[in-house]
Amino acid sequence: AQKVTQAQTEISVVEKEDVTLDCVYETRDTTYYLFWYKQPPSGELVFLIRRNSFDEQNEISGRYSWNFQKSTSSFNFTITASQVVDSAVYFCALSEFNDYKLSFGAGTTVTVRA
Amino acid sequence: DGGITQSPKYLFRKEGQNVTLSCEQNLNHDAMYWYRQDPGQGLRLIYYSQIVNDFQKGDIAEGYSVSREKKESFPLTVTSAQKNPTAFYLCASSIPGTEYNEQFFGPGTRLTVL
Repeated sequence: AQKVTQAQTEISVVEKEDVTLDCVYETRDTTYYLFWYKQPPSGELVFLIRRNSFDEQNEISGRYSWNFQKSTSSFNFTITASQVVDSAVYFCALSEFNDYKLSFGAGTTVTVRA
Repeated sequence: DGGITQSPKYLFRKEGQNVTLSCEQNLNHDAMYWYRQDPGQGLRLIYYSQIVNDFQKGDIAEGYSVSREKKESFPLTVTSAQKNPTAFYLCASSIPGTEYNEQFFGPGTRLTVL
């Protein structure tokens, strides 16, 4: 069975601080996909990134970066120089190869204070 | 604009009443999903459908029913058998057969039982 753990329930930072969200996953498949979604106060989930299990290159997109390490089964997400608009709930999710199911972590609530 | 619409945004129900949540998509996706979100928890899968006239139970299907008569529509009925229906409900769609099952989400419906 697949499982995603986001151990941090809430993180509060002051604007311009960096914040790292942890995600640890479990799967028996060798081929799988990892996702990060953002849920702003409006409620809709916004797709941020997808990573497959064969691509361990770190990725940077603007102020967002992701660190994928198969050795520790982690897919961590860092927001650099945080802004108030980054305040949201962030979910990590896992999908196994050709599986319909996305397994979500419990989410981490990020609050960025001005 | 292509996307997923859910209505209504807020819904109030008296105990013992059935209520139906609407989900429509114009992305031409074959697969559709219903999730339930409770505070402090990740998304849990209620039902999913990979093609018209076919659907399967997810992890928490008890007290819910669905239909899939059209590709664009996947309504969810919360029945009186659902003991704790107050929650945020999210609908999603994807293209099945792709290896990574990237899902696109609607804005959600917040159901409150009075």
